[in-house]
Amino acid sequence: NAGVTQTPKFRVLKTGQSMTLLCAQDMNHEYMYWYRQDPGMGLRLIHYSVGEGTTAKGEVPDGYNVSRLKKQNFLLGLESAAPSQTSVYFCASTTTGNSNQPQHFGDGTRLSIL
Amino acid sequence: GENVEQHPSTLSVQEGDSAVIKCTYSDSASNYFPWYKQELGKRPQLIIDIRSNVGEKKDQRIAVTLNKTAKHFSLHITETQPEDSAVYFCAASKKEYGGSQGNLIFGKGTKLSVKP
Repeated sequence: NAGVTQTPKFRVLKTGQSMTLLCAQDMNHEYMYWYRQDPGMGLRLIHYSVGEGTTAKGEVPDGYNVSRLKKQNFLLGLESAAPSQTSVYFCASTTTGNSNQPQHFGDGTRLSIL
Repeated sequence: GENVEQHPSTLSVQEGDSAVIKCTYSDSASNYFPWYKQELGKRPQLIIDIRSNVGEKKDQRIAVTLNKTAKHFSLHITETQPEDSAVYFCAASKKEYGGSQGNLIFGKGTKLSVKP
């Protein structure tokens, strides 16, 4: 049981390039999330998904797109990378219940845009 | 929408002392309050959480208290050790019975340093 796995762990891009970050979870969780973490800003929600085939915008969605074609995978895409998107990106997942359940995080992807 | 404020942003204590981190939230409907610990370069990890139907929860040296009237909750770490040094994040969310899981709104974090 690997939990939440993110690939890649590190990446350097040039401004204008595109890339996709992959998040995979093996816990059969319904909910998946993408956050970005910047110094002094905490964790900010980019996009999230409440189930296979569904996505929704979070707090800071501009410049990003997501897809959830399979329940276990949640992809985050940058169509045209900008230096302001330099950040550490975390994926998380959780299950449903009668009350909120804890989110489980991946190890993060450190992304630098030059 | 919900807003979570966390204080202090940095906290330095001597080994063996207690540490307290406080958070306030704005949405009175919030009913779930987790705390995450993040060591340098690592993922955030849940250390304790509390739901709005209880006022306090303990797990060994860690405790969380919740004051729903004042809309604030606190993390208490007793007998601090150097390995407690990390960034701690509070968060809040809400979920109505039968409804969707609420999104977590995080505080900006507290960097705790425990000096030997």
